[in-house]
Amino acid sequence: AQSVTQPDIHITVSEGASLELRCNYSYGATPYLFWYVQSPGQGLQLLLKYFSGDTLVQGIKGFEAEFKRSQSSFNLRKPSVHWSDAAEYFCAVAGVGNNRKLIWGLGTSLAVNP
Amino acid sequence: GAVVSQHPSWVICKSGTSVKIECRSLDFQATTMFWYRQFPKQSLMLMATSNEGSKATYEQGVEKDKFLINHASLTLSTLTVTSAHPEDSSFYICSSGPGGSPLYNEQFFGPGTRLTVL
Repeated sequence: AQSVTQPDIHITVSEGASLELRCNYSYGATPYLFWYVQSPGQGLQLLLKYFSGDTLVQGIKGFEAEFKRSQSSFNLRKPSVHWSDAAEYFCAVAGVGNNRKLIWGLGTSLAVNP
Repeated sequence: GAVVSQHPSWVICKSGTSVKIECRSLDFQATTMFWYRQFPKQSLMLMATSNEGSKATYEQGVEKDKFLINHASLTLSTLTVTSAHPEDSSFYICSSGPGGSPLYNEQFFGPGTRLTVL
């Protein structure tokens, strides 16, 4: 069965430090992968997505993610975190077939220390 | 990008009443919309897939008579929580995307509706 694992429930980093949020997936074919961010009390915003091609994907707000098929991973990175990046981050994979369902990870809560 | 709106953004109601939440696609036609609920500090849980002009498809464990979904037009889907109880209090989010090959379309999310049942 398809699944998405975000091993880190909560991460705290200092402002200006680098960030890596982990995402591992289980999927039988080439996945379609997404990272979304949710600020407190807000809806979700797409940070970036991977469908095919270059395995290093650039997103908004200075984020990037690298698809590694051998490791079944799609980790999110940012070289220098800003206080406004404090939010909940969700990794998701597109479902099997043509039903457009997203399979979600449980999320990683990011706190940023000044 | 595609814009999805939700109304209301928050609602408080008494136990036993029904509440309707609207999800609209503002600049594209949405043949499919998804309804999620999210509990505090948790991930999104897909409740149902709403298809324009046909019955919604509910996920296992979701009561279709409790959570009525209507998708009567290409820009509007509604979720009605019938006879709401405090345990229905949650954050409800809808999503959709423009037409075309679904596998290549990302989903765009509404801002969510916070429901509190007293």
